Amino acid sequence: GAGVSQSPSNKVTEKGKDVELRCDPISGHTALYWYRQSLGQGLEFLIYFQGNSAPDKSGLPSDRFSAERTGGSVSTLTIQRTQQEDSAVYLCASRPTGLGGYTFGSGTRLTVV
Amino acid sequence: QQQVKQSPQSLIVQKGGISIINCAYENTAFDYFPWYQQFPGKGPALLIAIRPDVSEKKEGRFTISFNKSAKQFSLHIMDSQPGDSATYFCAASGSGSARQLTFGSGTQLTVLP
Repeated sequence: GAGVSQSPSNKVTEKGKDVELRCDPISGHTALYWYRQSLGQGLEFLIYFQGNSAPDKSGLPSDRFSAERTGGSVSTLTIQRTQQEDSAVYLCASRPTGLGGYTFGSGTRLTVV
Repeated sequence: QQQVKQSPQSLIVQKGGISIINCAYENTAFDYFPWYQQFPGKGPALLIAIRPDVSEKKEGRFTISFNKSAKQFSLHIMDSQPGDSATYFCAASGSGSARQLTFGSGTQLTVLP
């Protein structure tokens, strides 16, 4: 596609439920990143995928968070047993191999009630 | 530990004025310094970026000034326009395959007509 596509754009869930957020990166981009943006805050790194290499999970805040990337393309971020502090905008970005800049999607706004 | 500090948190400028946003970093391994512009409901978009081998980079009305010894860099928006009203984030990354960006906390710019 022309850009990074994220779905859903908005998600309201009850505390304790699991949620899945989807990211479709730009075709051919080998690197994929997930960031979290809390209200009025900067972007917090969550996880990074590069090709078929093992992902860098160093930013995941707890073991309730996990992500996978299938076939080097689509990625899913899963949050289990959601808590109110998980409410934020979750942003996905992709980047081509080399020194190219990130292209971000529009994000998924997650609200845990 | 916040590795990129951004100021001010908010900025109000008259149309035609100069907007200046400052960032300071701690990690001397950083070698790529982009600025992102974010409109409400959208993901951040790359605006301009600089590497530490130059002290200034200009693209249209946007200029990055970089001071390696002080570990500071700034964004200058000349002839600011109401359409420039957005949130601006500075970021930094080091070399290596991950090139994970560390973001500042953001500056909300309002340009008055």
